[in-house]
Amino acid sequence: EVHLVESGGGLVQPGGSLRLSCAASGFTFTNHWMHWVRQAPGKGLVWVSRVDNYGSGTSYADSVKGRFTISRDNAKNMLFLEMNSLRDEDTAVYYCTAIDGPWGQGTLVTVSS
Amino acid sequence: QAGLTQPPSVSGGLRQTATLTCTGDSDNVGHQGAVWLQQHQGHPPKVLSYRDNSRPSGISGRLSASRSGKTASLTITGLQPEDEADYFCSAWDNGLNAWVFGGGTKLTVL
Repeated sequence: EVHLVESGGGLVQPGGSLRLSCAASGFTFTNHWMHWVRQAPGKGLVWVSRVDNYGSGTSYADSVKGRFTISRDNAKNMLFLEMNSLRDEDTAVYYCTAIDGPWGQGTLVTVSS
Repeated sequence: QAGLTQPPSVSGGLRQTATLTCTGDSDNVGHQGAVWLQQHQGHPPKVLSYRDNSRPSGISGRLSASRSGKTASLTITGLQPEDEADYFCSAWDNGLNAWVFGGGTKLTVL
């Protein structure tokens, strides 16, 4: 069975940092570009970042460029998102996903003082 | 980054047909098609159709996706109460080097 399980969310003060992780199982991880997509409370889906199959290419939404870093460990079937200089507007549920494939359950990140 | 355009709400009667639309441009929907996602309140999104308009296994045959130029469509026939949800379209944008999403359509089954 296909699973994506995110972890690492929580409450952090503005300016702080968090590292999100996503464990993948049940499918061939290296067949997919992987993404982080976020959803603020009551709002729509917003693409955050992507990494290609082997981690050599990445891209970011303008709103997170320079603050967030995406990476993957194919040996462990893991996806990561390092988030620095967090802002109130980064508050959202963060989904690990292939977009046109599996989606995780999401992990909530709350940025508040 | 610019997004795709979806109507905020669509409604249809029980056992009737509803069509949801998603309009982009030649860099996204017009280039590679769109993915359709369904999201029930409090749950993660679920893929309903791929960019080639095919359905994942387990998705009802009442759903069909299509594309004409820069507009993708999702048609749901025989509407059921469980179809009431938010529907999002998404596409890779070659110009932005980013995935873009529509703002979502809330489908109400009357």
